[in-house]
Amino acid sequence: DAMVIQNPRYQVTQFGKPVTLSCSQTLNHNVMYWYQQKSSQAPKLLFHYYDKDFNNEADTPDNFQSRRPNTSFCFLDIRSPGLGDAAMYLCATSTGGFETQYFGPGTRLLVL
Amino acid sequence: AQSVTQPDIHITVSEGASLELRCNYSYGATPYLFWYVQSPGQGLQLLLKYFSGDTLVQGIKGFEAEFKRSQSSFNLRKPSVHWSDAAEYFCAVGGFNNNDMRFGAGTRLTVKP
Repeated sequence: DAMVIQNPRYQVTQFGKPVTLSCSQTLNHNVMYWYQQKSSQAPKLLFHYYDKDFNNEADTPDNFQSRRPNTSFCFLDIRSPGLGDAAMYLCATSTGGFETQYFGPGTRLLVL
Repeated sequence: AQSVTQPDIHITVSEGASLELRCNYSYGATPYLFWYVQSPGQGLQLLLKYFSGDTLVQGIKGFEAEFKRSQSSFNLRKPSVHWSDAAEYFCAVGGFNNNDMRFGAGTRLTVKP
């Protein structure tokens, strides 16, 4: 089945230690998104790629970076995780515009 | 900029009872409206969406939603709730460029036996 896959499902890192979260898709969608969702809150868009074009939300901290080496994969890099970065990170894909976004199961990040 | 308000943080209903989850939006042009459901520890799944046309939209799992422009609302309904419907429900609004979709804070649904 076509899907959005996120690895790992759970990630534990230390304060200040760089961490990378992975997302892959078999849907061949143009757009890939990264959301941060803290407990009992709405998902908050960090950035998205439309093909190779990177679009950063204005309030996304510089600590968060992303890479999209090809259509199928997108990575979220947190350069120096703080305790406040502990959250669920959701990847989503779409064909763009107002089309449906398809979400992966998320990676829960814990910062010690 | 668009925004979404879900006034109810937590709702409890009995199994078999009807359900209505409220959503109010703010958007300067024609909105594109969505309802997503999130089970614990999972990603979001689309229930239904409204772009244009018939203001009553049917979705998966027996859900429907009605767009009311005059009230800036897009409430989600289900005539008879099942225990498996217990989850977090998010309303979202986007413009023509859905790359800028905004989610509400969510409503957590608890279903009593």
